[in-house]
Amino acid sequence: GQNIDQPTEMTATEGAIVQINCTYQTSGFNGLFWYQQHAGEAPTFLSYNVLDGLEEKGRFSSFLSRSKGYSYLLLKELQMKDSASYLCAVKSGDSNYQLIWGAGTKLIIKP
Amino acid sequence: EAQVTQNPRYLITVTGKKLTVTCSQNMNHEYMSWYRQDPGLGLRQIYYSMNVEVTDKGDVPEGYKVSRKEKRNFPLILESPSPNQTSLYFCASSLQRASTEAFFGQGTRLTVV
Repeated sequence: GQNIDQPTEMTATEGAIVQINCTYQTSGFNGLFWYQQHAGEAPTFLSYNVLDGLEEKGRFSSFLSRSKGYSYLLLKELQMKDSASYLCAVKSGDSNYQLIWGAGTKLIIKP
Repeated sequence: EAQVTQNPRYLITVTGKKLTVTCSQNMNHEYMSWYRQDPGLGLRQIYYSMNVEVTDKGDVPEGYKVSRKEKRNFPLILESPSPNQTSLYFCASSLQRASTEAFFGQGTRLTVV
């Protein structure tokens, strides 16, 4: 079956660094996405990885290892507004380009 | 402003009363889809549309219908809502199915009593 695993909840301190992991098992691979979702709001796109390695975008970075079926989202210099859920999604490798979503990681930032 | 607009944002209805949730995008995107989001579960796709008059079932299509008569609009229809359809619904669009970014509407919180 196809499966995406990420921790349910994490807590971090304002100004610190946090890493949110995502592991996946899918039929093929056409890219991995990270989305941010504030409570009750729409998901918004953060990053896309299709090749191995680290993609940096300001305070946020995303890493992918296709051989390990593993990704992480790294958030630096945490701010209170980063309190949100972070959704990992994988686009399958078949012709349908199906998006498979993880249940999301709720990140709580404490002062 | 590029956006996906859903209406209504909140809806409480009774079992069996037909309802429609509208979705409209102004980005000339070909691909549109509907998701439901429930606690502890990832987003689950209900239906999707590759283009005008082309729709197909997602992972959880039972109890839902859609139509795509125009490129910009993709309404979700619940002919006879039931309590297990109480959920948060999102419409999303992207240039094409293989595109790397999807744009989501603000969500519709539906309660069926």
